[in-house]
Amino acid sequence: DVVMTQSPLSLPVTLGQPASISCRSSQSLVHSDGNTYLNWFQQRPGQSPRRLISKVSNRDSGVPDRFSGSGSGTDFTLKISRVEAEDVGVYYCMQGKQWPWTFGQGTKVEIK
Amino acid sequence: QVQLVESGGGVIQPGGSLRLSCAASGFTFSSCGMHWVRQPPGKGLEWVAFIQYDGNDKYYAGSVKGRFTISRDNSKNTLYLQMNSLRAEDTAVYYCAGIAVSVDFDYWGQGMLVTVSS
Repeated sequence: DVVMTQSPLSLPVTLGQPASISCRSSQSLVHSDGNTYLNWFQQRPGQSPRRLISKVSNRDSGVPDRFSGSGSGTDFTLKISRVEAEDVGVYYCMQGKQWPWTFGQGTKVEIK
Repeated sequence: QVQLVESGGGVIQPGGSLRLSCAASGFTFSSCGMHWVRQPPGKGLEWVAFIQYDGNDKYYAGSVKGRFTISRDNSKNTLYLQMNSLRAEDTAVYYCAGIAVSVDFDYWGQGMLVTVSS
């Protein structure tokens, strides 16, 4: 199975400041079709998860443009340009390149 | 609007069986692959199983393979998860989800708690 490793696991941030979460996979997420199937999900307290980004950097509809994804191969990053109060929650990376799909451990974002 | 509504959860003894259902509406269910994802209390997300739109292909996490079976009834717009030989470590909130890797399609149910305890 592909192991997904996130860091940090806890991220206290100041409102209005940027935040960055790293995700590393145990093997390349580049599929034979040329796509890289790395997703980012957000789970706000008490809510179901929702996807923010697919294929490394494609924002889902309705996702604010302060969220951006980057990376390649085995190293990926989710950035929030200016953290807002509604961004509090746990963020997960997930690979969809091969079965079984696997999630990272999650990074808890909280306001300082 | 898209809705996914899980049902069938509850408390079950170790070794027992339970079947979760997920009623879908607001989209063409028969055209979409569907997943089950679970989350133990206070812990992270774990992908559990996937079924192709027509039910022909199915994939499972190693932790549930041989014990859980994913299925669907496209005539009823319903997804199922049959869980057998349940263990304490299967205690979790179970989400049904429609997640497409190549298009903007990501919908989750509200989750259903399954507690395995004597």
